[in-house]
Amino acid sequence: RKEVEQDPGPFNVPEGATVAFNCTYSNSASQSFFWYRQDCRKEPKLLMSVYSSGNEDGRFTAQLNRASQYISLLIRDSKLSDSATYLCVVNSGGYNKLIFGAGTRLAVHP
Amino acid sequence: GAGVSQSPSNKVTEKGKDVELRCDPISGHTALYWYRQSLGQGLEFLIYFQGNSAPDKSGLPSDRFSAERTGGSVSTLTIQRTQQEDSAVYLCASSFGTSNQPQHFGDGTRLSIL
Repeated sequence: RKEVEQDPGPFNVPEGATVAFNCTYSNSASQSFFWYRQDCRKEPKLLMSVYSSGNEDGRFTAQLNRASQYISLLIRDSKLSDSATYLCVVNSGGYNKLIFGAGTRLAVHP
Repeated sequence: GAGVSQSPSNKVTEKGKDVELRCDPISGHTALYWYRQSLGQGLEFLIYFQGNSAPDKSGLPSDRFSAERTGGSVSTLTIQRTQQEDSAVYLCASSFGTSNQPQHFGDGTRLSIL
């Protein structure tokens, strides 16, 4: 089983839609969680950290469920510019190494 | 401030040649990672350096791949006797090295083996 698993998608949604991605992780000792965004042929860029109590940044909301070992990303009022691959990132338990999921592709259409 | 810097940005070489890729992390970052990414694929972890600890080399695909990090700063990834399947974008990332700090990526080196 992979340490971090994501639905590869693609998720095809119209502008203005709300879309949610989940990500599951296998190491119950993991403590740090992030969402990254990667545009085609570009490097990944940090979108947001994920905090235990959940956190929001504009149209983006991240949630953590430790009991079920998953994190989620909710995007409200989707824009064309949100089209990208969203990468779930988890630290490897007691180590500082960060593990990337394979990503979920989002395509927002007019 | 300066981000992670990688060079060269593009490298085209013939099969069988050796290549060396360079990464300059953000100043003060103790953790440095190398990944590779083939077109349309996810990130493949290669190697991880953290301070003065022994590197985690668990992702290196073969003994043709090696990496060094001198003085806790600049890192070079060397691929010997390159093969066509080595063609990919090689990404370097650095972080402050504690588990709650995210990574920052360089623009990558696009490697093409003819």
